[in-house]
Amino acid sequence: EVQLVESGGGLVQPGRSLRLSCAASGFTFDDYAMHWVRQAPGKGLEWVSGISWNSGSIGYADSVKGRFTISRDNAKNSLYLQMNSLRAEDTALYYCAKEGGYCSSTSCFPIDYWGQGTLVTVSS
Amino acid sequence: EIVLTQSPGTLSLSPGERATLSCRASQSVSSSYLAWYQQKPGQAPRLLIYGASSRATGIPDRFSGSGSGTDFTLTISRLEPEDFAVYYCQQYGSSPGFTFGPGTKVDIK
Repeated sequence: EVQLVESGGGLVQPGRSLRLSCAASGFTFDDYAMHWVRQAPGKGLEWVSGISWNSGSIGYADSVKGRFTISRDNAKNSLYLQMNSLRAEDTALYYCAKEGGYCSSTSCFPIDYWGQGTLVTVSS
Repeated sequence: EIVLTQSPGTLSLSPGERATLSCRASQSVSSSYLAWYQQKPGQAPRLLIYGASSRATGIPDRFSGSGSGTDFTLTISRLEPEDFAVYYCQQYGSSPGFTFGPGTKVDIK
């Protein structure tokens, strides 16, 4: 059974940093591209960042470019999101998500599995 | 960058009725790389349709997708009580990221 378990969320002041983690199990982690998708309270889905299976292809939404860094450790079956210079508008539930097929880059396939999310609240 | 627009914003229907949801892209979606997701309150999204018209594993056949180019449709032939939720379309296949539509809420009339 595929499982994606996020952690690391919490309340943080504007301008500070936070690191999210996602522990993956139930599939061959290093075969698939992975993503972070967020959802602000009461709002829709927003793609944040994606990383290919070998970290050779990485992308960011314009809203987080230069502030967030995605990474993965295939030996630990883990995905990460380092979030710096946080803003109030970054407040959201952050989902770890797995792409649904083999791909040399990212976003070749839709997302077939999602975690339950970790809540990030940016407020003073 | 492709922008997705969904209509209507809210669809109020009764169980047993047919639901027709629209997703329009600002430019042609290559190879019909268009997916639909269902999200219920407090839950993560669930993949329903990929490739514009292929049902994901375990999705009932009352859900169907159609369309190409810039216009896509998700149809729920007969609404079941568990189908009342928010539905998002998503464009993929344009590395590095995804684009989601704003969503259509299907609620009980």
